Amino acid sequence: DVKVTQSSRYLVKRTGEKVFLECVQDMDHENMFWYRQDPGLGLRLIYFSYDVKMKEKGDIPEGYSVSREKKERFSLILESASTNQTSMYLCASSWDSGNTIYFGEGSWLTVV
Amino acid sequence: AQKITQTQPGMFVQEKEAVTLDCTYDTSDPSYGLFWYKQPSSGEMIFLIYQGSYDQQNATEGRYSLNFQKARKSANLVISASQLGDSAMYFCAMSGGYNKLIFGAGTRLAVHP
Repeated sequence: DVKVTQSSRYLVKRTGEKVFLECVQDMDHENMFWYRQDPGLGLRLIYFSYDVKMKEKGDIPEGYSVSREKKERFSLILESASTNQTSMYLCASSWDSGNTIYFGEGSWLTVV
Repeated sequence: AQKITQTQPGMFVQEKEAVTLDCTYDTSDPSYGLFWYKQPSSGEMIFLIYQGSYDQQNATEGRYSLNFQKARKSANLVISASQLGDSAMYFCAMSGGYNKLIFGAGTRLAVHP
């Protein structure tokens, strides 16, 4: 069974803290993605990666960075968390070919 | 730029009836894919159905079918014989390069007994 695992389901962080959201997939997928979900806005792409150490900005990269040192792991970093980053974050992965995209269970982040 | 529009923030349906969730899209790419996902309150994204832009026939998966009208750029999801467990958020999405997905705002479906 394909698995995309997000390290934390619920986090509460303080404004200004550095926050790491980790995502691991076990299917040797080339592509990995971080989305943010907000009511009325759907899911929006923050960053994606198509190979180790390769990353591309999505639609809303401001305030975020990412790291992909190993193929199976894609980390989302909030350098200095702010209250407007309170949201649900979803990681996804896929092979380069085909149309199947696998999602993690989501991480609810609250910044206070 | 690619765009997905879901104009129904919320929909209600009686159990055992059919319901159509609307989705329109905009793209200048000749090759694209269209997806529907279900998101229950627990948050996970459940893949329902996929339609490729070159597919001649409408996609079907069990009780789900995708009404693909390419000229109108619409990809509506039809759920037949609704069940209480179908109550959830539904997202339409379109794929671009590297399988990046562009999502609509979603439609919340409530199934009433």
